[in-house]
Amino acid sequence: DAEITQSPRHKITETGRQVTLACHQTWNHNNMFWYRQDLGHGLRLIHYSYGVQDTNKGEVSDGYSVSRSNTEDLPLTLESAASSQTSVYFCASSTLAEVDEQFFGPGTRLTVL
Amino acid sequence: GQNIDQPTEMTATEGAIVQINCTYQTSGFNGLFWYQQHAGEAPTFLSYNVLDGLEEKGRFSSFLSRSKGYSYLLLKELQMKDSASYLCAVKDSNYQLIWGAGTKLIIKP
Repeated sequence: DAEITQSPRHKITETGRQVTLACHQTWNHNNMFWYRQDLGHGLRLIHYSYGVQDTNKGEVSDGYSVSRSNTEDLPLTLESAASSQTSVYFCASSTLAEVDEQFFGPGTRLTVL
Repeated sequence: GQNIDQPTEMTATEGAIVQINCTYQTSGFNGLFWYQQHAGEAPTFLSYNVLDGLEEKGRFSSFLSRSKGYSYLLLKELQMKDSASYLCAVKDSNYQLIWGAGTKLIIKP
């Protein structure tokens, strides 16, 4: 069965360290997204990609970067982790169809101390 | 700015009906989604509306009025497993999803 996975599921790191969160999908979807979810806020878009070599900034992209070298993977890198980046991170993918429902990964809980 | 409003929390009784409202103000409109999210899990797709009216899917229905910037999700014959957060999201003029903060639904026996 097709799926979307994220790793690690939990991560504790220190301020200033570089962290990379992995996202891998076997849906063969062109579109991939990274969100963060914090209490009291809706999902907030960090970065997104519509295909290989395409990346775009979302609403809260400062301090984050992504790269898309193949269809399946969109890793998210925190260049220098800050306590404000403590959050739950979700990766999602979707097709190009009109009803482009997004399929979400299980999430990564990141704590920056 | 863009805004999606939903009640923070609602409580309902098992077997009853509950309506979760969503109002939106966005730059453009290209569809509205409802997702369900159980605690500690990922959101999962429930419904999509792009035209005015009611879409029914089993125990769940979703309604849209574009002129009023309003949608609701109707859950019938509530079951304990329906305890979850319900997220409203609007696709704006840039085809980006703008998400509400979600409504936590508590079902009591």
